[in-house]
Amino acid sequence: GAVVSQHPSWVICKSGTSVKIECRSLDFQATTMFWYRQFPKQSLMLMATSNEGSKATYEQGVEKDKFLINHASLTLSTLTVTSAHPEDSSFYICSAHTDAAQPQHFGDGTRLSIL
Amino acid sequence: QKEVEQDPGPLSVPEGAIVSLNCTYSNSAFQYFMWYRQYSRKGPELLMYTYSSGNKEDGRFTAQVDKSSKYISLFIRDSQPSDSATYLCAMSGNRGSTLGRLYFGRGTQLTVWP
Repeated sequence: GAVVSQHPSWVICKSGTSVKIECRSLDFQATTMFWYRQFPKQSLMLMATSNEGSKATYEQGVEKDKFLINHASLTLSTLTVTSAHPEDSSFYICSAHTDAAQPQHFGDGTRLSIL
Repeated sequence: QKEVEQDPGPLSVPEGAIVSLNCTYSNSAFQYFMWYRQYSRKGPELLMYTYSSGNKEDGRFTAQVDKSSKYISLFIRDSQPSDSATYLCAMSGNRGSTLGRLYFGRGTQLTVWP
């Protein structure tokens, strides 16, 4: 149980393109979903936390107009990287949990490459 | 000082060895302790989840939490080449900024050679 599906797993696109990444909890209802960014050989860096039906809470230094998060249902959250540039290239990972006393379960990540 | 400290390694052991991975932390608000395994270009996979102090065993894996020392460990018995991955410790609490939010160690890169 506790499966989180993330799609796409890899995307390559031109600079200036907007890219949408989906995160779905397949067998549980996720009251909260999280979006992380990971650079090579580094740990995960939290970008934002989203609760179903509410606006996302962004970490300091993360541009909310650049990284649009929508959490429209208890099983789906999306991250849209708007007008992506090469410096946005990274590994993006989502996670979800049912409540704060339960562990987060992670998707398999999306490798984003902006040319 | 980071809130969660973890030696990044790398750690290289022969197949069958017992592996010990550790993290220390500074925030006494942490109550939930996790170990994740992350293979290259994949998301972290939950291995162990422990609440408060104590030991937990699951197959070849044993997690220990010592809150008095602010020290957690993961032991892997009879290590296999398939255990080669990065191991991340993570923790969260039940109040304030620690509520529902994971604080990660840097991760320890483990290689088990045949």
